[in-house]
Amino acid sequence: DSGVTQTPKHLITATGQRVTLRCSPRSGDLSVYWYQQSLDQGLQFLIQYYNGEERAKGNILERFSAQQFPDLHSELNLSSLELGDSALYFCASSVGAGVGNEQFFGPGTRLTVL
Amino acid sequence: AQTVTQSQPEMSVQEAETVTLSCTYDTSESDYYLFWYKQPPSRQMILVIRQEAYKQQNATENRFSVNFQKAAKSFSLKISDSQLGDAAMYFCAYLRNRDDKIIFGKGTRLHILP
Repeated sequence: DSGVTQTPKHLITATGQRVTLRCSPRSGDLSVYWYQQSLDQGLQFLIQYYNGEERAKGNILERFSAQQFPDLHSELNLSSLELGDSALYFCASSVGAGVGNEQFFGPGTRLTVL
Repeated sequence: AQTVTQSQPEMSVQEAETVTLSCTYDTSESDYYLFWYKQPPSRQMILVIRQEAYKQQNATENRFSVNFQKAAKSFSLKISDSQLGDAAMYFCAYLRNRDDKIIFGKGTRLHILP
């Protein structure tokens, strides 16, 4: 158990819908990262927040957004869902930022878009 | 742009034998980190081993060791005394020191034969 929690574990929804994935980092960790793992694209970095502020952005679609709240939990919002958004979404956390800190991964949320 | 290449999509090894997984990467940076992550059927991402680029000594964690060749940009993982629990997808990953975006390879699926 990495100490990072993600809810829900599974999510099934329809095209065009909007969903919210939630992540609670390990106690004491200030950075939260979101990754997408799909069959065709592999594991890709989406976005990072550090202490409430966006720090780095990867291949995140405009239909996707994220935020980190004062209690440091984070939410990833996916809207206008398409079939291709079906994937495993991981959240990870680390103590700091920018110094190669080890990232601890949560168990993931499996999103299925029908 | 940084890239990570794992040329072996699948490998098999007999239980108790030794196996080496290959990874090459491309970067113009001099300060970075390299990782091997394990993803068992549970889908949890587990850090196996980590190497700082400035360290010449190869990292070792129990039965897991790496062969880090900085000039050749090669980072292979050796698993000794393979066990059934080692069966998983293994991802090689790169992290530039001044940011936090991990870049993953496509993965190598490792089968352990009893």
